Amino acid sequence: DQQVKQNSPSLSVQEGRISILNCDYTNSMFDYFLWYKKYPAEGPTFLISISSIKDKNEDGRFTVFLNKSAKHLSLHIVPSQPGDSAVYFCAASAGDNYGQNFVFGPGTRLSVLP
Amino acid sequence: ETGVTQSPTHLIKTRGQQVTLRCSSQSGHNTVSWYQQALGQGPQFIFQYYREEENGRGNFPPRFSGLQFPNYSSELNVNALELDDSALYLCASSLTSAYNEQFFGPGTRLTVL
Repeated sequence: DQQVKQNSPSLSVQEGRISILNCDYTNSMFDYFLWYKKYPAEGPTFLISISSIKDKNEDGRFTVFLNKSAKHLSLHIVPSQPGDSAVYFCAASAGDNYGQNFVFGPGTRLSVLP
Repeated sequence: ETGVTQSPTHLIKTRGQQVTLRCSSQSGHNTVSWYQQALGQGPQFIFQYYREEENGRGNFPPRFSGLQFPNYSSELNVNALELDDSALYLCASSLTSAYNEQFFGPGTRLTVL
């Protein structure tokens, strides 16, 4: 039973446009969420995070939105660049497992077309 | 500052064999977590080590075991290898066990024939 779901295995976006990657979770104990980016032959790289006390966190071109009632978060990339082409993983953790156990989604492969 | 390194890069083993994977954590980090990433899936948490003690374990059988050394480097050992153990094994280090940002190594690709 997947606790963190990313229902779009892949997404293609034109350069300069907005990329929206979605993530849904089922465990209401999750209170910290992260997005990681992964290039081939490299480990995942931390991108941005959000705590459940917030509904939005912004870092440059990357914004994460959290809707706790819907158990849904999304990552917005504006404007998208070809270098953003990678696999994006959503991950979640629960307060009492702080740092111990991140539950990852299956990932969404983003392709940004020039 | 050296990042997280893992060795070997690739490994081929046969069913029933044993394997040891190694990880050097980022400088100053005392916590190491291990993940298994099967093809087309996200990383799955195996266990975490904090100051040489196991500090949490995911849903993996006891034949997956680990070790953390005084310099905070770590090993993942898998006994009695099965075909389904074929995966990318990722190591991640963090500043402390309560610090959420984890820095991942490039992984070890294990193939079990």
